[in-house]
Amino acid sequence: ETGVTQSPTHLIKTRGQQVTLRCSSQSGHNTVSWYQQALGQGPQFIFQYYREEENGRGNFPPRFSGLQFPNYSSELNVNALELDDSALYLCASSPQGTLKGGETQYFGPGTRLLVL
Amino acid sequence: RKEVEQDPGPFNVPEGATVAFNCTYSNSASQSFFWYRQDCRKEPKLLMSVYSSGNEDGRFTAQLNRASQYISLLIRDSKLSDSATYLCVVNNPNTGNQFYFGTGTSLTVIP
Repeated sequence: ETGVTQSPTHLIKTRGQQVTLRCSSQSGHNTVSWYQQALGQGPQFIFQYYREEENGRGNFPPRFSGLQFPNYSSELNVNALELDDSALYLCASSPQGTLKGGETQYFGPGTRLLVL
Repeated sequence: RKEVEQDPGPFNVPEGATVAFNCTYSNSASQSFFWYRQDCRKEPKLLMSVYSSGNEDGRFTAQLNRASQYISLLIRDSKLSDSATYLCVVNNPNTGNQFYFGTGTSLTVIP
């Protein structure tokens, strides 16, 4: 196991609602990345947090937002949920997210979100 | 154009067969390359990093061709437990340190 944990494991919401997903990074890792994986697709990068600051963002609208806490755990918040937000949301931690890049990322088990 | 392109398969091979997956990437500035494995309804797990000189880990061999911008994964002596989706991953730190994933190639090893 990677030591990355996520909660909840499954979630059902309705359109327009808001959701908060949580991630605890592996011990010693200060960087957390969030990904969205739709059925049959590869994970798509949402954003990354390094030492509590956003360190890169993918092509997702502002209603996707995040936080990282001093213990390096992280939250992903999605407002005004849409049907297309139904997906597996993966959190990945890595030991160092500086601009060097290329650090291996270790994934948590994911949160499966269904929007009705 | 997608950052990373993979043949989605599926590949259905008998036990003991050798199978190869290829992946191409569009950004020549990409610097780090990986293969991840994803079992059904599970998270991706790192299989191996890919180095310019090529690298091997048991039955698995990864190659990188920077000139042609493609990455390959060779699996020898396939086992039933190799059945999974294999994701090609590319990192370009100039674009916010994000990982770009291919859609994955599905492999089923048949008894």
